[in-house]
Parts: sequence; structure tokens; C-alpha cells
Amino acid sequence: GNSVTQMEGPVTLSEEAFLTINCTYTATGYPSLFWYVQYPGEGLQLLLKATKADDKGSNKGFEATYRKETTSFHLEKGSVQVSDSAVYFCALSDYTGKLIFGQGTTLQVKP
Amino acid sequence: DTAVSQTPKYLVTQMGNDKSIKCEQNLGHDTMYWYKQDSKKFLKIMFSYNNKELIINETVPNRFSPKSPDKAHLNLHINSLELGDSAVYFCASSPSGGSNQPQHFGDGTRLSIL
Repeated sequence: GNSVTQMEGPVTLSEEAFLTINCTYTATGYPSLFWYVQYPGEGLQLLLKATKADDKGSNKGFEATYRKETTSFHLEKGSVQVSDSAVYFCALSDYTGKLIFGQGTTLQVKP
Repeated sequence: DTAVSQTPKYLVTQMGNDKSIKCEQNLGHDTMYWYKQDSKKFLKIMFSYNNKELIINETVPNRFSPKSPDKAHLNLHINSLELGDSAVYFCASSPSGGSNQPQHFGDGTRLSIL
């Protein structure tokens, strides 16, 4: 069945460091791919999305490119801030519309 | 003007009790979902409804019964609560359930079973 695998966390970075969170997926058909962010005590917020191969999603300095050949959707940001500390979820949406999530990666950014 | 709102935010109760969680969205969306987030933060779909009709029912014990009185509301009733039901339950909605549509999430209901 469809699945999503994210890199294990937690990831700890200093402010202004470069961020990469790896995400790979297994899916039949042509899923859409998403990154969601969860701040402490809150629900999930959409960070960015890509709906077809080679699409690049971007928002708030974060980027991810839908790579069909490597079945990946890695999240990157050039310079992280303390306010980026949160849990990041990679997810795919199949033809039913349901989201299948990776296990989440906790990011902690230190000043 | 909250888009997806859930009540209550916290629910603490004894094993064996019956409880309900309510969800309302004011986005005009047709599709609503329930997800369960466990203690390791893993999220899994439970149910989805499209315009009051059940679309997805993912191997959830039949102690869990969703009810959608109209397309803006999706409530979750849980009978005979068990320790393993302790989790955070998230409601979400999307315009029409298409795979390319992002889902909007509520802030969650933290259920603790004593």
C-alpha cells in the first residue's frame, strides 16, 4: 500500500543554518504531496504542496520538489529561525483524498 | 472566525465511559475527516465524509461512530472507552475531497483515559 517515510528526528540546528528533512514515498498512481507543520499544542497547518512530478512547492522560505524518479519530496530552507521549531510532517494524498503521513520530524532551532 | 473548530479541547474520562467530540467547519467545504494522533505523534485517518455520506472507514473499532448531521459538522462518538483510545483526535476539511486539495485542520481534542 501507499506509505511515507521521513528521516528520524529530532533535528537540532543553530539559527541561520540550512535545513533538509528527507521524505520518500511509495504510491501507486499519481499522488499529491504535502508538507504540514505542527506547532506545540496546535493543529496541522499546510506548509506547501506539489501535485505533479517536477512541481516545486514553496512558502515562507521553505521549498520541496516532487521527484518522481527518486520518489522523494525533501523539505529545505536556506536559513532557519527559532520560530521554525515545530514538528514537520510529509504526507501524500491518494485518489481517495485521504492523507497518509510520515512519522513526523521534530525540528529544534537554537539561538 | 475559526475555520475548523473542535470541542472540547481536552477530555479526561474513565475507562468504559461514552464520550463525544464535536467538529464544525465554516469554510463551506463538502468533505470532512477524523484523524488520530498517537503518543509518538503518528497520524492516521479514521473516517471521511463527503456531504454527509461516509466515504472512508479505516479499520476502526465499531466503538467509534461518526455522525454528520450536515456537511458543516462531523461528530465522533466513542463507546466503552479503552486505555488505548488515549490520543489527540483531529478534525479536518477540504473543498471536495480531491487528492490535490489541502486539508484544513482543527486544533485537536486531547483525550485521556484514566
